[in-house]
Amino acid sequence: EIVLTQSPGTLSLSPGERATLSCRASQTLNSRYLAWYQQKPGQAPRLLIYDASSRATGTPARFSGSGSGTDFTLTISRLEPEDFAVYYCQQYGTSLTWMFGQGTKVEIK
Amino acid sequence: QLQLQESGPGLVKPSETLSLTCIVSGGPISTNTYYWAWIRQPPGKGLEWIGSIYYFGNTFYNPSLKSRVTLSVDTSKNQFSLNLSSVTAADTAVYYCARHNMITWGEPDWFDPWGQGTLVTVSS
Repeated sequence: EIVLTQSPGTLSLSPGERATLSCRASQTLNSRYLAWYQQKPGQAPRLLIYDASSRATGTPARFSGSGSGTDFTLTISRLEPEDFAVYYCQQYGTSLTWMFGQGTKVEIK
Repeated sequence: QLQLQESGPGLVKPSETLSLTCIVSGGPISTNTYYWAWIRQPPGKGLEWIGSIYYFGNTFYNPSLKSRVTLSVDTSKNQFSLNLSSVTAADTAVYYCARHNMITWGEPDWFDPWGQGTLVTVSS
């Protein structure tokens, strides 16, 4: 079973700052098969990024994804007030199970 | 625009079976480019994939839940369902249904969109 470890657990930043979130897989993922989701309180998760770096429809350009193999990064170039939320990574394409990381909370400093 | 809506009891007794349905609107469930998934989130915790089903009935299950989970699909009603047997308090969670995208046939990828979720509490 692939385990995804996200770091840090909580990121305290101010609006306008850059956020860098990490997702590390316990084994190499096929190709760049990783997705990122954003979840705000009381809401369902929303797909932000798929295939490690492709933005989903409606994802603002300030969100970017990168990485391959076991190490992946979600970057928010300049935090907007609506970006403070919990972010999850999710792997696919390596085993016929679909696992999520434990999440990183981006909170207002 | 595709929408998914979960429905079912909000309270289930321990040892009983949790049953939820996801009604899909805005598009057919009987399409060869998607699976349909259930994901849950215990209060204050992270996301756990439960299982996914294709409209033909092909299924994938989380190994940790496989012995207790049954997924089914009703194409005539454009909906799919989750049964989770022998529930305990540890099964208390918000349950989401979602479309499970599939680029390569038989190997679903990411989840999009999601239903709004429904809280199911296991308690006597």
